[in-house]
Amino acid sequence: ETGVTQSPTHLIKTRGQQVTLRCSSQSGHNTVSWYQQALGQGPQFIFQYYREEKNGRGNFPPRFSGLQFPNYSSELNVNALELDDSALYLCASSSAGANVLTFGAGSRLTVL
Amino acid sequence: AQKVTQAQTEISVVEKEDVTLDCVYETRDTTYYLFWYKQPPSGELVFLIRRNSFDEQNEISGRYSWNFQKSTSSFNFTITASQVVDSAVYFCALSEGTGANSKLTFGKGITLSVRP
Repeated sequence: ETGVTQSPTHLIKTRGQQVTLRCSSQSGHNTVSWYQQALGQGPQFIFQYYREEKNGRGNFPPRFSGLQFPNYSSELNVNALELDDSALYLCASSSAGANVLTFGAGSRLTVL
Repeated sequence: AQKVTQAQTEISVVEKEDVTLDCVYETRDTTYYLFWYKQPPSGELVFLIRRNSFDEQNEISGRYSWNFQKSTSSFNFTITASQVVDSAVYFCALSEGTGANSKLTFGKGITLSVRP
């Protein structure tokens, strides 16, 4: 059973650019959640997708968008990058009706 | 609004010591879940334990135990006979409601260092 995999693991962007982060959910899971973890902070909920539909959103601006594919993998897109977007972006998957999340190792984004 | 407070920021112990990590939460819901996750240097959050708001029975699982008290809104986690491999950041989290459509609210985490 493979876990949650995320790509890329590290990336550096400049302010104003756009970035796409990818996530493959654990086998058998149909729900994907994205979290942002700033340095020294706990993860903050960005949004969740269930069967390709958005199923909840945290307090993040519309620059943060995403989608889920039929195979339940997911993408997080961030437009017009700002310095404060520098963080570890964590993807987590779960099965329907379960609230125990399986997390990936994250994508560390640095915005210069 | 829900909130999780982890007042301790860093704890350092010597191997084989017991260590307790504190967590206080706020919620208006009567149905909720509490979690502890561990984040090693590799970055991924590893699920440790979950309790629901209707079950205050405290349990022990190997070297881990937890103390859930609704009266004080606390959900403390204890590691017995700590080991160097326990060194990590530990997060307490709260999920309101039930099912997969409930988001997790995390505390700021506690950095645990276990010295040999």
